[in-house]
Amino acid sequence: EAQVTQNPRYLITVTGKKLTVTCSQNMNHEYMSWYRQDPGLGLRQIYYSMNVEVTDKGDVPEGYKVSRKEKRNFPLILESPSPNQTSLYFCASSSWTGNGYTFGSGTRLTVV
Amino acid sequence: QKEVEQNSGPLSVPEGAIASLNCTYSDRVSQSFFWYRQYSGKSPELIMSIYSNGDKEDGRFTAQLNKASQYVSLLIRDSQPSDSATYLCAVEYSNTGNQFYFGTGTSLTVIP
Repeated sequence: EAQVTQNPRYLITVTGKKLTVTCSQNMNHEYMSWYRQDPGLGLRQIYYSMNVEVTDKGDVPEGYKVSRKEKRNFPLILESPSPNQTSLYFCASSSWTGNGYTFGSGTRLTVV
Repeated sequence: QKEVEQNSGPLSVPEGAIASLNCTYSDRVSQSFFWYRQYSGKSPELIMSIYSNGDKEDGRFTAQLNKASQYVSLLIRDSQPSDSATYLCAVEYSNTGNQFYFGTGTSLTVIP
């Protein structure tokens, strides 16, 4: 089944404790992206990648890191999480510009 | 700052009616436009994409784009209770990368 898989689905952590949210797609898509969704603010793009080793900032990159060492994987790293990073996170992938993104199931992160 | 604006609603229509959802965007360089549907607690699901001025029809859905007015809309004909969801408008800027901007969504309720 074609899909984008994120893990974990739910995560509660403490301020300052490094964490990684994994994302993997099995559709051989070139493009991958991370979003956060907050009430009243909608979906906002954090980082995107157009190919292996090619990443760029989206609208809200501060406090996040990403890497794209393999085509299928695009982990999101929070080096020192803070409470304002409490949010619902989505990973997504796309085959080409203009094709729209396929979203993963989401990761609900709470930073206390 | 690129902006995508939607009426948050809620929008209520009776079953069988036409639901009309609207979206405006701020940047004339925008290249691709998308409508996503998001059920409560679920991830966004792509339902329509449109790139050229005019109408694009897919089943009960019609997307309309007017680049001169910076306006994109989604019509849902013969609305069904299963169409009750939040509809997200998204704009892609691919000339400088793969930046995606989403509106905050319009909540639609179809009343049986």
